Amino acid sequence: GAVVSQHPSRVICKSGTSVKIECRSLDFQATTMFWYRQFPKQSLMLMATSNEGSKATYEQGVEKDKFLINHASLTLSTLTVTSAHPEDSSFYICSARPLEAYTEAFFGQGTRLTVV
Amino acid sequence: KQEVTQIPAALSVPEGENLVLNCSFTDSAIYNLQWFRQDPGKGLTSLLLIQSSQREQTSGRLNASLDKSSGRSTLYIAASQPGDSATYLCAVKVDSSYKLIFGSGTRLLVRP
Repeated sequence: GAVVSQHPSRVICKSGTSVKIECRSLDFQATTMFWYRQFPKQSLMLMATSNEGSKATYEQGVEKDKFLINHASLTLSTLTVTSAHPEDSSFYICSARPLEAYTEAFFGQGTRLTVV
Repeated sequence: KQEVTQIPAALSVPEGENLVLNCSFTDSAIYNLQWFRQDPGKGLTSLLLIQSSQREQTSGRLNASLDKSSGRSTLYIAASQPGDSATYLCAVKVDSSYKLIFGSGTRLLVRP
């Protein structure tokens, strides 16, 4: 199957700093990428949908100024957690949908963010 | 608003048992339903995808069924193995945008 790579897989940062997470589709082009957040023992919650070359669409309750999403190319989307706080500690997972119609999205391996 | 529920939340079985995981959704107007596997601290691996027009899908020891009218899906795992231990998530696609709504998962432990 298609491969979606996230980097880094783990990151620890100090409160108040910003962290950037990358999501790359390695062997296909993706018009749309999705960012999810997962708290311990809870399900994945969609944060935002990003389309290449346009602004991301955020789900209700997600602060767009705190979670900056950039989808500058058909193979890369980035999520930047700005001024991170301990409550932002979570598992962040991206998924990418290939250009081909009727193809489901493929998921990255996730990024564990810990804010201390 | 679509809500997806999975029961049980956790399940522990001895190796070799056949088992069933349940997923229910509140709005039957779905495009498809997927079952995923998630190992601790890892991403998601898609196991089976059932289109809204289908009743079931099979892959190896896995069989997933879908009953749209009752808002239910089951994942059947035959002859379970310790390597099947993981969290199993179901998710429904509710429109053409490819957004998925996930259940909270079932944590499965298969004891040797």
